[in-house]
Amino acid sequence: EPEVTQTPSHQVTQMGQEVILRCVPISNHLYFYWYRQILGQKVEFLVSFYNNEISEKSEIFDDRFSVERPDGSNFTLKIRSTKLEDSAMYFCASKQGLTYNEQFFGPGTRLTVL
Amino acid sequence: QKEVEQDPGPLSVPEGAIVSLNCTYSNSAFQYFMWYRQYSRKGPELLMYTYSSGNKEDGRFTAQVDKSSKYISLFIRDSQPSDSATYLCAMSAGTGANNLFFGTGTRLTVIP
Repeated sequence: EPEVTQTPSHQVTQMGQEVILRCVPISNHLYFYWYRQILGQKVEFLVSFYNNEISEKSEIFDDRFSVERPDGSNFTLKIRSTKLEDSAMYFCASKQGLTYNEQFFGPGTRLTVL
Repeated sequence: QKEVEQDPGPLSVPEGAIVSLNCTYSNSAFQYFMWYRQYSRKGPELLMYTYSSGNKEDGRFTAQVDKSSKYISLFIRDSQPSDSATYLCAMSAGTGANNLFFGTGTRLTVIP
């Protein structure tokens, strides 16, 4: 069964460094998302991406964050100048198209900023 | 912003019990309602998806949506120890990219 994959499973970085989190969405899906979950808190929406551009973004997604679909399969989240408060699980999700609303999530990348 | 409220539990039940999990919401624009199951330090796994008001059944799971009360429920019949997980409700307005708003999750333990 097709699934969303994410790498790495765990990323440790020093405050101020840049990180790139990678995702491979389900192959025939057109909408891609990043969510994050701080330990013990809600899953929160960061950004959605469709047709090679950002569709929506939340207040969390400030100018340190960027997303890219560099090729036909990968979807990346870059965080520049990381802060301690960026430490969280980051989940990638995808959905098939406009009329399909089920979003399928990857296993997540645990980001630890020291 | 408390758009979706969910009792975090924890909830412990004996094996075979019927489990009722609930969420309330404030945004009347929400039309699509989902339940996800999340095991510790794993990604949310889609369990049930419903549109607008009504019931949907899938095996031991039944999802109910009451839009007039802004209240959704997930029922698990004949609960099993393998059902032990955190259950997240999520919902969206169904417009544009349709980002999801999640509840805090209810941690369920089914005791053998």
